[in-house]
Amino acid sequence: AQTVTQSQPEMSVQEAETVTLSCTYDTSESDYYLFWYKQPPSRQMILVIRQEAYKQQNATENRFSVNFQKAAKSFSLKISDSQLGDAAMYFCAYRVGFSGYALNFGKGTSLLVTP
Amino acid sequence: ETGVTQSPTHLIKTRGQQVTLRCSSQSGHNTVSWYQQALGQGPQFIFQYYREEENGRGNFPPRFSGLQFPNYSSELNVNALELDDSALYLCASSPSSGILHNEQFFGPGTRLTVL
Repeated sequence: AQTVTQSQPEMSVQEAETVTLSCTYDTSESDYYLFWYKQPPSRQMILVIRQEAYKQQNATENRFSVNFQKAAKSFSLKISDSQLGDAAMYFCAYRVGFSGYALNFGKGTSLLVTP
Repeated sequence: ETGVTQSPTHLIKTRGQQVTLRCSSQSGHNTVSWYQQALGQGPQFIFQYYREEENGRGNFPPRFSGLQFPNYSSELNVNALELDDSALYLCASSPSSGILHNEQFFGPGTRLTVL
């Protein structure tokens, strides 16, 4: 069974600063996808960034980037120039490439952004 | 693309009752997945439907069942409700082809409380 571990229940960052959220996963598969989702108080899960395991280059989306270490099974999210609107629960998720679309989620990290 | 809607927003039921939750996916999204998110946890995969047939299931008992209709709507039915069924229920849809076929688009969820 695949598991996703987020070891930081809560993180805090000041506005304009940089924060890194950690995620590790356990799998024996070679083809898979990794995602970071953001869930604000409105509850709607929003995709932040995704990474295909076969790609060596780390994904970036504007202020969001990942550090994907396949051998270490690590997938951290870096948020640069943090904004108040970044405050939310962040979930790391994993999906095996050919098993349909079922996502395995971690327990989440609550990010607080202070002015 | 994030046009997934769910109804109702909130629901209160008593133990032993049955409940039906509804989801409306975007046109062309013929894969729908349902997740259960308990308080303080990440979403857990319940099952997935593709073209009106179940094609994947998580570790949930048979009293959790679903339907998918040709008009891109779907239902999650839960029989014999238990207190532990209290959670946020999320549906997510995906297109089966195209540049976005690896992504899931989530609805805002239905908050179910079982008393």
